Amino acid sequence: AQSVAQPEDQVNVAEGNPLTVKCTYSVSGNPYLFWYVQYPNRGLQFLLKYITGDNLVKGSYGFEAEFNKSQTSFHLKKPSALVSDSALYFCAVRDIKTSGTYKYIFGTGTRLKVLA
Amino acid sequence: NAGVTQTPKFQVLKTGQSMTLQCAQDMNHEYMSWYRQDPGMGLRLIHYSVGAGITDQGEVPNGYNVSRSTTEDFPLRLLSAAPSQTSVYFCASSSAGGRTDTQYFGPGTRLTVL
Repeated sequence: AQSVAQPEDQVNVAEGNPLTVKCTYSVSGNPYLFWYVQYPNRGLQFLLKYITGDNLVKGSYGFEAEFNKSQTSFHLKKPSALVSDSALYFCAVRDIKTSGTYKYIFGTGTRLKVLA
Repeated sequence: NAGVTQTPKFQVLKTGQSMTLQCAQDMNHEYMSWYRQDPGMGLRLIHYSVGAGITDQGEVPNGYNVSRSTTEDFPLRLLSAAPSQTSVYFCASSSAGGRTDTQYFGPGTRLTVL
């Protein structure tokens, strides 16, 4: 079965510094990978996705993610963090069954705190 | 478009009671799903549906039932509530697979079972 792992429960970064939130995946076949963000007391919002193509994917709010097949990673990055980026971030993978149906599996989440 | 709506926003139940969490979307999405969010556990898939009349189990289906009689609605039924079902529940929808499968999430239902 497909899965994703987010090895860090929390990441702290100073405002203006680059940030990285890590995600590794385990899939058979080509991976469909996603990043979502959750602000307090809200539902999740889509940030970006990798299906095929360029390994560097650009998304909302200045975020980008780098797909690395050899390291089975899909780390979320931003060149300069903002205090408003503080939130809970989830990595997810699409799991396609042999029947053709599919589902999405989420990681445990990483809390990002950007310090002023 | 209202997007994905969930009702109620908050609910308190006693052990053994039953209830239905409502989810509706107005984007004509084929795919709908229910997740529960617990501290340290992330988002766990309960049930999902790839279209009207088709449902399947996710990672944690026990104690929950679903049905999909229309494209728009995907209710989640708790048959006999237990304290372990205290959680925040999110419904999500997306169009069919391929390059367009971005999920849209509802605002959540916070459920407490006493």
